[in-house]
Amino acid sequence: DIQMTQSPSSLSASVGDRVTITCRASQSISNYLNWYQQKPGKAPNLLIYAASSLQSGVPSRFSGSGSGTDFTLTISSLHPEDFATYYCQQSYRFLTFGGGTKVEIK
Amino acid sequence: EVQLVESGGGLVQPGRSLRLSCAVSGLTFDDYAMHWVRQAPGKGLEWVSGISWNRGSIGYADSVKGRFIISRDNARNSLYLQMNSLRAEDTALYYCAKDRATGIRGGLDYWGQGTLVTVSS
Repeated sequence: DIQMTQSPSSLSASVGDRVTITCRASQSISNYLNWYQQKPGKAPNLLIYAASSLQSGVPSRFSGSGSGTDFTLTISSLHPEDFATYYCQQSYRFLTFGGGTKVEIK
Repeated sequence: EVQLVESGGGLVQPGRSLRLSCAVSGLTFDDYAMHWVRQAPGKGLEWVSGISWNRGSIGYADSVKGRFIISRDNARNSLYLQMNSLRAEDTALYYCAKDRATGIRGGLDYWGQGTLVTVSS
């Protein structure tokens, strides 16, 4: 099975900060990597698919990069509504989620 | 408007069975793969199972393999999860989610609100 490791597991940041979350796969997954945002009590929301493609309706401050085993989600300037938990997920061989990164207010 | 509505959750004793359903509307159901994803209280997301548009590809997480069965009825625009031999560790909110692709390869772009399964004596 493909394992997904996210780091950090949590971070504190301020509105306006640039935030970067990383995700590493246990084997090469090409660009079969997706990113989600989840807020408390809500279903996850797809942000990025195929490593770097922005899902329709998602603000352009979100971006993704990477291929193979190492991937990054970047929020260029943190907005108040961006405080949430973020998950990566591989879809190269079935699906596996990373452990999540909670972005909290500093 | 795309809608995914799960049902069938509840309290069940260990070792018993439960069948979840997901009714989908607002899209051409048989164009897409579908999945079940669960989230234990206070924990992260765990993919449970997925099925391609034509049932040609089906996958399960190791934690449920041999106990859960995913199925779909394209005529009824519905997804199902038959859960057998339930364990306490299966307690979670179960989400139905739509794949962007026909196969189990895309991101999950639409989700239901979930149905809660509690396994306890």
